Amino acid sequence: DTGVSQDPRHKITKRGQNVTFRCDPISEHNRLYWYRQTLGQGPEFLTYFQNEAQLEKSRLLSDRFSAERPKGSFSTLEIQRTEQGDSAMYLCASSPHGGGGVITEAFFGQGTRLTVV
Amino acid sequence: AQKVTQAQTEISVVEKEDVTLDCVYETRDTTYYLFWYKQPPSGELVFLIRRNSFDEQNEISGRYSWNFQKSTSSFNFTITASQVVDSAVYFCALSGAWRSNYQLIWGAGTKLIIKP
Repeated sequence: DTGVSQDPRHKITKRGQNVTFRCDPISEHNRLYWYRQTLGQGPEFLTYFQNEAQLEKSRLLSDRFSAERPKGSFSTLEIQRTEQGDSAMYLCASSPHGGGGVITEAFFGQGTRLTVV
Repeated sequence: AQKVTQAQTEISVVEKEDVTLDCVYETRDTTYYLFWYKQPPSGELVFLIRRNSFDEQNEISGRYSWNFQKSTSSFNFTITASQVVDSAVYFCALSGAWRSNYQLIWGAGTKLIIKP
């Protein structure tokens, strides 16, 4: 399988606990994105990496959220001191560099569904 | 500000009917990209099409077709002879061209139900 993979697929945690999600992008893609999606809504952008550099973070990403892509390959998203409002599907996507300003399509993983109880 | 509106929350049709999903967008960019994604019950967003603002030609791919009209800021999606497997949530999304597509602006999605 050469698509974007995310682990775990589901996570149930108690409020206040820390959680970490992993994303493995398509190997030749240098761009990686994290989105969050709640029921009945479209995805909301969280953060973006080009190789190992985190180039943009949404204002949605509070101080409790941190993302890394240490070697420009896989990425992790950590949520500290989880709150019930963090319950959502966390989606990872990757895309190749378009070159010449071309915007390329993003390929998504199946997501990690987080439930905070 | 950029915005994508999918006014149809849910559409239900009988198999083999044609169905059109509407997408209206707002942007101040002169160059931009529009996308459609499909999200089946499994949850994975599946890319369907990308269109840049300079290419207003309609596109057909099998039973799928897209009608891009800059004059009305619309990028509608038609499924011809719908099938049960087409049942999913469909999202329209917008990106400016002067930055990465990391800031895709998404519509709320249209849930399409195809009844056998």
